[in-house]
Amino acid sequence: SQTIHQWPATLVQPVGSPLSLECTVEGTSNPNLYWYRQAAGRGLQLLFYSVGIGQISSEVPQNLSASRPQDRQFILSSKKLLLSDSGFYLCASSRGKEEKLFFGSGTQLSVL
Amino acid sequence: AQSVTQLDSQVPVFEEAPVELRCNYSSSVSVYLFWYVQYPNQGLQLLLKYLSGSTLVESINGFEAEFNKSQTSFHLRKPSVHISDTAEYFCATLRSGTYKYIFGTGTRLKVLA
Repeated sequence: SQTIHQWPATLVQPVGSPLSLECTVEGTSNPNLYWYRQAAGRGLQLLFYSVGIGQISSEVPQNLSASRPQDRQFILSSKKLLLSDSGFYLCASSRGKEEKLFFGSGTQLSVL
Repeated sequence: AQSVTQLDSQVPVFEEAPVELRCNYSSSVSVYLFWYVQYPNQGLQLLLKYLSGSTLVESINGFEAEFNKSQTSFHLRKPSVHISDTAEYFCATLRSGTYKYIFGTGTRLKVLA
């Protein structure tokens, strides 16, 4: 089965600082990759998904961007963090349609 | 657009009592439905899924969900809960024709001793 490595587990950043969260996948090739943000009481919001290297779909306009430089690597970035970027960020992977999502253990980001 | 709605944000229940966590979906096409569980400070894990076939699906830890087309529901049930079932539960759907998994707002199940 797939294993999702996501780091760091927690991160505290000042407003206006850059961000880079990395996610790598083991146990599969050519996965579909996802970034979700979880805010209390609001469930999981899909931010980006990717079906292949260099292919990124953005779901909502925001202060964040994503990149997929390698098949099993997915990076979430920001040039300047906002307070509203605080939240729990989850990376996920799936082999294809109708298959389950495998999730990483998440990064708790606090922007102060 | 396809979506799922979880009406209950929190559900407290005593140990060994039955529980039902509600999920309703909106779609005019074939649906794929999922329940995921999230334990504190962890990612999500798949509990069960409905893709087609039998409308009653079961998980290995005693949960079950029934796809009800007439009521557009996919409620999660367990006849007797344990303290270890305390977690947040998310209903999800796969938007048809895409690879996008859409999640509900979650239901926090708290099992009381």
